Amino acid sequence: SQKIEQNSEALNIQEGKTATLTCNYTNYSPAYLQWYRQDPGRGPVFLLLIRENEKEKRKERLKVTFDTTLKQSLFHITASQPADSATYLCALYNTNAGKSTFGDGTTLTVKP
Amino acid sequence: GAVVSQHPSWVICKSGTSVKIECRSLDFQATTMFWYRQFPKQSLMLMATSNEGSKATYEQGVEKDKFLINHASLTLSTLTVTSAHPEDSSFYICSAWKRGGAETQYFGPGTRLLVL
Repeated sequence: SQKIEQNSEALNIQEGKTATLTCNYTNYSPAYLQWYRQDPGRGPVFLLLIRENEKEKRKERLKVTFDTTLKQSLFHITASQPADSATYLCALYNTNAGKSTFGDGTTLTVKP
Repeated sequence: GAVVSQHPSWVICKSGTSVKIECRSLDFQATTMFWYRQFPKQSLMLMATSNEGSKATYEQGVEKDKFLINHASLTLSTLTVTSAHPEDSSFYICSAWKRGGAETQYFGPGTRLLVL
């Protein structure tokens, strides 16, 4: 079965710096990969989707890369703000199974 | 668009009672809905996948008689926790795929269940 590893359970950075979160997976390469943000006591909110034939996707201060050779996705938040503090989840979609598998998430704290 | 609601947002019940949680897609039709549970500081654990008009597909280890799922329409799915026990206390979250665009899962706000 697919295994997903997200870097360190917690990541602390200073406001204004770039946060980089990692999502590594084993086994098959997914048709697409998604990143979600989850705040405490709330459901995840969709941020970005990147397909297996795409290398990079951007949305405002967010950037996602997808390397199917390394089996890795990187999620960047530039010019980070305290409001970016949350848990970020990556999810890999399995076409055959018709469902996504979620990583455990990385909790980002941006300090002012 | 793509808003998913859940009701109730939190519920406290006595052990042995049944609890029903509703998941609605407010501004789109959902071909498929998913039910997850999440324990503190842990990731989402998929419980079951439900398609409108058909029986839900449960993940391995999830008791289908314990967690009854009904997907009666393209905008509503319900999860009923039958004979709830303290170990069923958790955060339950639903999500939905938009009809015609089954790529992004839109999540509800979650339901916190506490069984005393």
